[in-house]
Amino acid sequence: DGGITQSPKYLFRKEGQNVTLSCEQNLNHDAMYWYRQDPGQGLRLIYYSQIVNDFQKGDIAEGYSVSREKKESFPLTVTSAQKNPTAFYLCASSIGGVTYEQYFGPGTRLTVT
Amino acid sequence: QQQVKQSPQSLIVQKGGISIINCAYENTAFDYFPWYQQFPGKGPALLIAIRPDVSEKKEGRFTISFNKSAKQFSLHIMDSQPGDSATYFCAASLMRGNQFYFGTGTSLTVIP
Repeated sequence: DGGITQSPKYLFRKEGQNVTLSCEQNLNHDAMYWYRQDPGQGLRLIYYSQIVNDFQKGDIAEGYSVSREKKESFPLTVTSAQKNPTAFYLCASSIGGVTYEQYFGPGTRLTVT
Repeated sequence: QQQVKQSPQSLIVQKGGISIINCAYENTAFDYFPWYQQFPGKGPALLIAIRPDVSEKKEGRFTISFNKSAKQFSLHIMDSQPGDSATYFCAASLMRGNQFYFGTGTSLTVIP
């Protein structure tokens, strides 16, 4: 089955620790995205990548970092510099180019205490 | 600045009724307007989408109405069912930018 996988579903970390969230897709999509979802605020774009080895900051990139070494993988690191990291994180992908449909993974809920 | 504004924040509808969710956008260059449905603890799933060259698109019980001059679009769910209870997000994107701007979401509850 083609799709987007995110792991783990739930993640707990102590304040001050960096943590990496996994996102893998087997849809052969060029573009991948990371969103953060907080209650009442919708989805906010953290980073996106339209091609391997290239990525751009979204609206709330501070305290996050990404890499795109392989087409199918787009891991997100939440660093200790992120002031309020507890949230639901969603990864998405799209074919890119003139096709707009964006497909989402099941999400990772990160709790930092 | 919120690029896409969505209302209402929450909506309660009787089974069989019509659910209406509205969105307004700022950037006239947006050229793709999708609606997503999200169940608790899951990722959003594309429900229906429209391009600005048409005023309405219907898929089953779901209809998007688009008003280009008013910079508004809305989702209508006909014959609403309890299984439609979810959070709905509107979004807008630019063809070349490949970025999506989401509304803040509407929590829909359909009462049996």
